[in-house]
Formats: sequence, C-alpha cells, structure tokens
Amino acid sequence: AQSVTQLGSHVSVSEGALVLLRCNYSSSVPPYLFWYVQYPNQGLQLLLKYTSAATLVKGINGFEAEFKKSETSFHLTKPSAHMSDAAEYFCAVSEGGYQKVTFGTGTKLQVIP
Amino acid sequence: EAGVAQSPRYKIIEKRQSVAFWCNPISGHATLYWYQQILGQGPKLLIQFQNNGVVDDSQLPKDRFSAERLKGVDSTLKIQPAKLEDSAVYLCASSLDTGDEQFFGPGTRLTVL
Repeated sequence: AQSVTQLGSHVSVSEGALVLLRCNYSSSVPPYLFWYVQYPNQGLQLLLKYTSAATLVKGINGFEAEFKKSETSFHLTKPSAHMSDAAEYFCAVSEGGYQKVTFGTGTKLQVIP
Repeated sequence: EAGVAQSPRYKIIEKRQSVAFWCNPISGHATLYWYQQILGQGPKLLIQFQNNGVVDDSQLPKDRFSAERLKGVDSTLKIQPAKLEDSAVYLCASSLDTGDEQFFGPGTRLTVL
C-alpha cells in the first residue's frame, strides 16, 4: 500500500531564508509524487509533480523537489522564502498515474518577516 | 477557464441533521472526486465518479453518506444523519479523465455541533 510521511507539521523560516519541507514515501511500484499548496480557505493547487522523468522537478513560484529513490524521499525546497509562501503544503503519492492519490498530513509553513 | 465550483462554502448544523453539498466540475471533465479533509489531516478520498458511474467508494461511510452525479456533470454529496466527527472540509476535484491531473475546488467547511 502507498503512504506518505511529512516530517514536521509546522515549519518556520525567515523571509529570504531557504525553505525545506520533508516528505518520505512508500510505494510498491514506481510512484507518481506530488506537492500541493493550500492557502487559507482555498482548495489545493498543484505545485509540482514527478512522473518518472527527470528526478529534479521544477514547479510554480520558484519551488522545486528532487526524487531520491534510494532515500524514498521527495523533499520540497525554495532558495528564498517570500511572505506569500505562507500556506499549508501537502505531499502526495499515487501508484499508477494520477489515480488513487494518497496525501500526507501536511506541513504549515510560517514565514517570519 | 472556470475552475471547480462548490457550494455552500460554509455550513453549520447540529448532529443528527442532514446536509448536502454541491459541486460543479470543470467543463468537459469526466472524472469527479469527493474528498474529506479533517483538521490536521490530509484529504481522504470518499468517492470517485467516471461520468455518472461510481469507480471507487471504498472509503465512503455508506450508512450515512451518499453521493450522486446525475447526467455526468454536477454532483451532490449528502450526509444523513450527521455526527460530530463529520466536521471537516469537503473538497471536490475533477480531472479530464481517470489518471489525469486533478483540479480542486475551494471546499465546503462543515461544522457539526
């Protein structure tokens, strides 16, 4: 069965600092991996996705993530945090395309001015 | 292009009452999903429709939850009777077809008192 573990339910960074949100996955087959962002009172928006092509995936708003099979990880990074990045971020996995997506519990990112 | 629409955005009811949520997917999207997002958790799939047929409802509490997608477009999710533990955000998503990227609506926040 597929699953996702997000380390840290809350992460605080200073404006301009590196953002690192951790995600580890479990999957019995080569997975598809996703990062979604959720702003207050809004639905989920896809930030980026890994679909078995390049292991370094670039997404919207300057975010990127690297698929590391040996570590079963898909950590999300951004070189310089902006106040508008404050939101909740969800890592997700699916086995077989976009079907049966399983979400992690989410990480709330706080950006301190 | 219009996104996924949901209504109402907020609903407060007392336990044992009934409630219904409405979702209008992106035009032309054959697949529609209902997710339940409890505070502090990631979204959990309740039911998936392909046109007007049910593909997966394995996690839908069928003794109290029901959903339909008549004519393969709009969908309604009903809870009857509601319990305290049903308090959550109910997200609707749609995709062009099964296996394609999912697009999420803003959600309906349900509070059961």
